[in-house]
This record gives sequence, C-alpha cells and structure tokens, in this order.
Amino acid sequence: DTGVSQDPRHKITKRGQNVTFRCDPISEHNRLYWYRQTLGQGPEFLTYFQNEAQLEKSRLLSDRFSAERPKGSFSTLEIQRTEQGDSAMYLCASSRPPRDEQYFGPGTRLTVT
Amino acid sequence: DQQVKQNSPSLSVQEGRISILNCDYTNSMFDYFLWYKKYPAEGPTFLISISSIKDKNEDGRFTVFLNKSAKHLSLHIVPSQPGDSAVYFCAATGRDDKIIFGKGTRLHILP
Repeated sequence: DTGVSQDPRHKITKRGQNVTFRCDPISEHNRLYWYRQTLGQGPEFLTYFQNEAQLEKSRLLSDRFSAERPKGSFSTLEIQRTEQGDSAMYLCASSRPPRDEQYFGPGTRLTVT
Repeated sequence: DQQVKQNSPSLSVQEGRISILNCDYTNSMFDYFLWYKKYPAEGPTFLISISSIKDKNEDGRFTVFLNKSAKHLSLHIVPSQPGDSAVYFCAATGRDDKIIFGKGTRLHILP
C-alpha cells in the first residue's frame, strides 16, 4: 500500500460552483479524517469517520459541506456553492484506533476565484 | 482560542547543532502529544509522539520532552541535518482522539 491518496491535487473553481474531493485511506485503517489548512495555520479538524459512520463534525463544517464514506473505504468531501473563503488545502488522514498516529495524504489545494 | 501554541513562527539552526522546537498547550484533558513534519506540497508526516504518562520519548535523532505541570513540550533534533528543514507541527489529543494542531514552526538548517 502506498499510503493515503487524494484526488485531485489541485482544483480551481469559480465562486458558486460545487466541488468534490476524494480520499483513499490506507486499506487496513478504519478511521478517516478530513482537515482544512490555510496559510500560516496548522491543519484544522473538519470531520472524521470510523468505518462508514461519521462520528464528529466540527462547527467549521457549514451546511455547504458534506462528507461521506460509503462502505467504509474511500471518502468524499463535497463543498456546495463555493465561496472565496473556502480556498485552502484540504487534507485527509487515516489511522487505526485507538491511538495510532494519523497518516496524511498530500492534500487537495482548492482555489475559489 | 488556541489550545496548542507554537510561539516561534521560524527558527534557524546551524547544521550539526541541536534544534529545539517548543510547544505549549492549555487543555489539561490532552493526554497524547505528537509532532508532525511538513514539506511544501506534501501532507504532514508523523515524527514522534509521547503519552502523558511519560516525560521523554526518543527515536534516533528526535527526542520529545513533556512537562505536564508547565503544559509544555519540546522537540529536540540532534544533530540537525539539511533535510530537517521543514515546518514542524505540534499536536495534541484527548479521549476523543481528535487532534488539535499548532500553527507550526518553520525550521531552517543553515549550512
């Protein structure tokens, strides 16, 4: 297994459009996390899944954001009606509970124009 | 409110010397601490962790020290090498396993 992968690596979209990102975790990891990172900040937690169950969502995740993990494998993060403030790096990580370190993917850089 | 603070945005260290990166936290419920390293255009990479029941953990050139009473931890890299130039994130987690990251410290290793 080559680690966590994310697709696409870069996305440029116009304000108001919808975008969807995909994350493929390490295969034996049943926890999957989404983070957002803006310039000069550390990654900020958005949401996480244990298998297919979404266990927690940050208040940063507005109604325009939705995440899914059907069948407990890959996950998608969708942003509807994008705004310029959504421009950021979106990172995905996976781990095995209870206290394994999280392995991060390379991220998807979103630019909203 | 920042629960994990890295007060030095950047640090420059001569190659071969010791690099010391500092981190403070405010939430007393944190019981597991991690350091991640990040190169440009890559996701963060796990470096080393420490549980609150310990005060030191060592892995090769990397040592993390935890002072629970001061709510402070530090990462020591010795000897520093050019490939250590990166952004280092301190992170902490509690029983909910949700990781809270600091803003990062950019380490420059000088030749």
